[in-house]
Amino acid sequence: GIQVEQSPPDLILQEGANSTLRCNFSDSVNNLQWFHQNPWGQLINLFYIPSGTKQNGRLSATTVATERYSLLYISSSQTTDSGVYFCAVDTGGFKTIFGAGTRLFVKA
Amino acid sequence: EPEVTQTPSHQVTQMGQEVILRCVPISNHLYFYWYRQILGQKVEFLVSFYNNEISEKSEIFDDQFSVERPDGSNFTLKIRSTKLEDSAMYFCASYRGRETQYFGPGTRLLVL
Repeated sequence: GIQVEQSPPDLILQEGANSTLRCNFSDSVNNLQWFHQNPWGQLINLFYIPSGTKQNGRLSATTVATERYSLLYISSSQTTDSGVYFCAVDTGGFKTIFGAGTRLFVKA
Repeated sequence: EPEVTQTPSHQVTQMGQEVILRCVPISNHLYFYWYRQILGQKVEFLVSFYNNEISEKSEIFDDQFSVERPDGSNFTLKIRSTKLEDSAMYFCASYRGRETQYFGPGTRLLVL
């Protein structure tokens, strides 16, 4: 089955810093989503981005489907950005595979 | 904004007991999913459901698990005889197609 790898596994930032999270996948995908899991365990959808670039406030994402990767950019990070960021893909069926996540901690 | 709801938020059960986890998906969504997340680990796909039948299921979703959409609003996951390793957070998600999945807040299941 498809493999989804996320990097880095852990990231510590000072408030105000920028960061880039990466998601590599091993096969063509129909869907790609980015989620934020907050410290209370809620999964919040950030982007649905099978290809192209989207922006939402301080967050933006780019997926290059032909090269099988997606990037999530966080600018001017805030303490509330802390949590785990997951990339999730599916290959055209109805089976969604999550990466292992990037655990982000933003220090005040 | 419409949201996916799940009940109960927490459940504690004895090994070998049956549990039913309930979800109310967003009303105009067509695809429904169950996932689980063991503490500190990644989110794992269990099963997807469309048009009143299972579309895909993972290796985890064995004969101890079943899903049902008993009426027009609820979507349930049943675990027939719980094991210690079933302790996890269980998430329901719904999806209209060609957009993101929306996740419920989860049910934390503890099997003793």
